[in-house]
Amino acid sequence: AQSVTQPDIHITVSEGASLELRCNYSYGATPYLFWYVQSPGQGLQLLLKYFSGDTLVQGIKGFEAEFKRSQSSFNLRKPSVHWSDAAEYFCAVGAKTSYDKVIFGPGTSLSVIP
Amino acid sequence: DAGVTQSPTHLIKTRGQHVTLRCSPISGHKSVSWYQQVLGQGPQFIFQYYEKEERGRGNFPDRFSARQFPNYSSELNVNALLLGDSALYLCASSSASGGGNEQFFGPGTRLTVL
Repeated sequence: AQSVTQPDIHITVSEGASLELRCNYSYGATPYLFWYVQSPGQGLQLLLKYFSGDTLVQGIKGFEAEFKRSQSSFNLRKPSVHWSDAAEYFCAVGAKTSYDKVIFGPGTSLSVIP
Repeated sequence: DAGVTQSPTHLIKTRGQHVTLRCSPISGHKSVSWYQQVLGQGPQFIFQYYEKEERGRGNFPDRFSARQFPNYSSELNVNALLLGDSALYLCASSSASGGGNEQFFGPGTRLTVL
C-alpha cells in the first residue's frame, strides 16, 4: 500500500538558516511526488512535483527537492529560510492511475525564529 | 482568474445531522476532488469526480457521497454526522484526470460537529 512518512512533526529554524524537511514514501513503482505548503487559514499550495527525469526538482519560493529512489526519499530543501516560510509542509505521493488520488504525509510544522 | 472556491467557510452541526459542502472549480477544470483534513493530520482523499462521473473513492463510509454538476461544480454530502467528522474539508480541481495532474486547492470548509 502507498504511504508517506514525515519523521519530523515540528522543526524550528532561524531566519537565514538552511532547511531540510524529510519525506519517505512507500510505493510499488516510481510514483508522482509532491510537496505542498499550507499556511493558517489557507488551502494547500503546490511547491514542486516530480514525475520523472532529473531527480533534482526546482520549485517556487526558492525550494528544491531531490528524489532518491534507493532511499525512497523526496526531501525538501531551501538554502535560506525567510520568516514568511513558517507554515505546515506536506509531502505527498500520487498514484499512476486514471484518477488523481494523492496520499499525503502527516505534515511538518515549520517555525522560523527572527 | 478566480481560484477554487468553497462554501460555506465554517459550519457547525450536531451529531446525526446532514451537511452539504459546495465547491466551484477553476474555470475550465473538469475534475474535482474532495479531501478530509483532521486537525494535526494530512489531507485524506475522499472522492474524485471527472466529467460528472465518479473516478475514484477513498476509504470512507457510505455516509459520504458527492456529485458533480454540468458546470463542473461539486457537492459533498455527509449524512448522520459523527463527532469524528469534524475536520477541514478541502476541494481541489484539475484540468484532467489521472497522470498526476496538478491539483489546485480551495481554502476549505471547516466543519465542527457537536
